[in-house]
Amino acid sequence: EPEVTQTPSHQVTQMGQEVILRCVPISNHLYFYWYRQILGQKVEFLVSFYNNEISEKSEIFDDQFSVERPDGSNFTLKIRSTKLEDSAMYFCASRPTENNSPLHFGNGTRLTVT
Amino acid sequence: QKEVEQNSGPLSVPEGAIASLNCTYSDRGSQSFFWYRQYSGKSPELIMFIYSNGDKEDGRFTAQLNKASQYVSLLIRDSQPSDSATYLCAGVNQGGKLIFGQGTELSVKP
Repeated sequence: EPEVTQTPSHQVTQMGQEVILRCVPISNHLYFYWYRQILGQKVEFLVSFYNNEISEKSEIFDDQFSVERPDGSNFTLKIRSTKLEDSAMYFCASRPTENNSPLHFGNGTRLTVT
Repeated sequence: QKEVEQNSGPLSVPEGAIASLNCTYSDRGSQSFFWYRQYSGKSPELIMFIYSNGDKEDGRFTAQLNKASQYVSLLIRDSQPSDSATYLCAGVNQGGKLIFGQGTELSVKP
């Protein structure tokens, strides 16, 4: 069964550094998402992406965050200058159509900012 | 007001019993709802989705949706210790994004 793949599984970075989290969505899916989950808290929406542009973003997704689909298969989340509070699990998800179809999640990247 | 609300638990049931997980939502325009299971440190795993009022059964799982009451539930029959996890209720809001509740921790005791 096709799956969403994320790399790396764990990223440790120092405060102020840039990080790029990578995702390969399922190949025939059209809608892409990033969510994050701070330890012990709920899964929070960050951003949705369709047709090579952001369709919606949350308050969390400020100017420090950006997303890109550079080559038609990868979908990346960049954090320009990481803060301690960016430490979380970051999940990429995709789905084939927008309405009613469930999201398929990758295994996540655990980001630790020190 | 939170868009999707769940009791955080923990909910503890004995092995073989029925576990009942509940969820309410605030956006009356929400059309589709999903139950995900999440083991500690892992990603959410889809269990069931429901779009229409009423019950939907899949093996030991039954999802129930009541749009008038803005209420979604998940029943797990013949609960097993391997069902112990956090169960996430999620709804698609009018803007088209999937919004999660905070999750209910389920513990099934042997």
